[in-house]
Amino acid sequence: QKEVEQNSGPLSVPEGAIASLNCTYSDRGSQSFFWYRQYSGKSPELIMSIYSNGDKEDGRFTAQLNKASQYVSLLIRDSQPSDSATYLCAVNPPYSSASKIIFGSGTRLSIRP
Amino acid sequence: ETGVTQSPTHLIKTRGQQVTLRCSSQSGHNTVSWYQQALGQGPQFIFQYYREEENGRGNFPPRFSGLQFPNYSSELNVNALELDDSALYLCASSLGAGAGNTEAFFGQGTRLTVV
Repeated sequence: QKEVEQNSGPLSVPEGAIASLNCTYSDRGSQSFFWYRQYSGKSPELIMSIYSNGDKEDGRFTAQLNKASQYVSLLIRDSQPSDSATYLCAVNPPYSSASKIIFGSGTRLSIRP
Repeated sequence: ETGVTQSPTHLIKTRGQQVTLRCSSQSGHNTVSWYQQALGQGPQFIFQYYREEENGRGNFPPRFSGLQFPNYSSELNVNALELDDSALYLCASSLGAGAGNTEAFFGQGTRLTVV
């Protein structure tokens, strides 16, 4: 089992609709969770971080965390063509000293006009 | 712009050669992590440096080594390059090395091609 799992997509969503991206993680003790956006040929850009159960909203983005189900999601409202990218779910596992981040393989999102 | 800069942006090397990649961390950040991202995959953690000491390592062989300098900039060295080392190498800086302080910001990456 991979430590962080995402559906690779592509996920195709019409412009203006809600895009829903999902992620599960294996280490129940994980404490910090992140969503990064990566455009083709570019480096990942942090768009959301979440540390406690529930929802966290920032503009058109909402991150949701459910530690009991080991599940993280990202909702993008009013999807725009510029949202077309690969979205990486990342988790900070509870290792003793190193604060390394474990990434999923990413979900490709395509917003169609 | 994250304030994390990497050099060079692109590099072509021959199998068996050695390479050094460089990273300047964001102002105020004392922790640098290096990641390898193969095509179609998520970034894989190589190692992290905190206050000039290696502070955790992923599943990479010893021919991947690094340094951190007093100004918190860092180098990634790879010896005896193999074709599978071709990837995007990412540097990320953050503040602190303990859990809960891991919001990491990435540089633009170095695209390494081994031929």
